Amino acid sequence: EAGVAQSPRYKIIEKRQSVAFWCNPISGHATLYWYQQILGQGPKLLIQFQNNGVVDDSQLPKDRFSAERLKGVDSTLKIQPAKLEDSAVYLCASSLVPGGTQYFGPGTRLLVL
Amino acid sequence: SQQGEEDPQALSIQEGENATMNCSYKTSINNLQWYRQNSGRGLVHLILIRSNEREKHSGRLRVTLDTSKKSSSLLITASRAADTASYFCATQTGFQKLVFGTGTRLLVSP
Repeated sequence: EAGVAQSPRYKIIEKRQSVAFWCNPISGHATLYWYQQILGQGPKLLIQFQNNGVVDDSQLPKDRFSAERLKGVDSTLKIQPAKLEDSAVYLCASSLVPGGTQYFGPGTRLLVL
Repeated sequence: SQQGEEDPQALSIQEGENATMNCSYKTSINNLQWYRQNSGRGLVHLILIRSNEREKHSGRLRVTLDTSKKSSSLLITASRAADTASYFCATQTGFQKLVFGTGTRLLVSP
């Protein structure tokens, strides 16, 4: 069974630039999550989708972050404009059902200069 | 916000020794999960313990949960160099989001 795929693996941008991350969950998984993991900390949930609807985006900085899952499968997370403090690893995870075991992708490591 | 705090923050042991890491949390939970993260990789789910369970085993892993003290421990027996990683506890209430702790960095030397 293929795991959660993410791209790119690494990205370096300058502050105020835009960046987008892509995630392809495990086939058949209805629930998709985006996490931000700052160095030395545990992952923090940014947004949770159930199919193509948003379940929880309470910790998403909506002035600069946006995410979509248009067809209930792939998802993109965008940052515009990026700030220095956005430097982190962005992890995507999926689960078969809400509250089910989450399977994580390898993450995208973002460095904002 | 981080719900759980792991202790110790870092642990260094020799191969063959046991490693114990602890997690404390703040609010009532439905279950508590442990994840492993190798350097530069995503997280791997290790084990889940429900709030009505006190102990659970999986291979060389043993997890305990004390809901009265709001704490959990993860024991890795007969550790191997391949166990070198960061370990995170994560709590879940109902079908709500996982809230991760701050992690314990484990180094197992050959």
